[in-house]
Amino acid sequence: EIVVTQSPGTLSLSPGERATLSCRTSQGVSADFLAWYQQKPGQAPRLLVYGASNRATGIPDRFSGSGFGTSFTLTISRLEPEDSAVYYCQQYGPSPLLTFGPGTKVEI
Amino acid sequence: QVQLQESGPGLVKPSETLSLTCAVSGQSITSSGFYWAWVRQSPGQGLEWIGSVHHSGSTFYSPSLKSRVTISADTSKNQFSLEVNSVAASDTAVYFCARHARNWGSLDQWGQGTLVTVSS
Repeated sequence: EIVVTQSPGTLSLSPGERATLSCRTSQGVSADFLAWYQQKPGQAPRLLVYGASNRATGIPDRFSGSGFGTSFTLTISRLEPEDSAVYYCQQYGPSPLLTFGPGTKVEI
Repeated sequence: QVQLQESGPGLVKPSETLSLTCAVSGQSITSSGFYWAWVRQSPGQGLEWIGSVHHSGSTFYSPSLKSRVTISADTSKNQFSLEVNSVAASDTAVYFCARHARNWGSLDQWGQGTLVTVSS
């Protein structure tokens, strides 16, 4: 079973700064099957990035994903106040089919 | 634009069965390339995938919930459903339904979520 971890747990930054969020998997996963989500309080998660580096429809280009193997990164350049949220990574694998990381809270 | 809407009781008694339905509009659930998924989030906690269903009836479940969960698809009503039996307080959560893109494994459209509380 693949375990997904994220770091840091909380990130406190100022507007205009860059945020770097890390996601690690216990086994190598295909970059095609790594996604990132943003969730604000009281809302459903929103898909930001799929296939490790592809922005979902309507996602600003200040969000970018990268990585391969067991290490993946979500970068938010030029933070804006509305980027305050919890960010989850998720892998798609054989079993279980989907696994979420515990999340990184970004405070701005 | 596809929309998903969860519905069902907001309160379920311990040991009973939790039943939710997700109505899909703007897209047929028989569209190729998609599964349809349930995800839950306990209060103050992270996201937990429960399972996914294909319109053909194929299902995939989280190993930790597999013994208590059934997910099914109703193509005539363009909806899919979740049942969790023998519920306990630990099943109290916001339950989300979502569209699961098969090629990428990501959940690209979500319902707003519905809170289900397990309490006597």
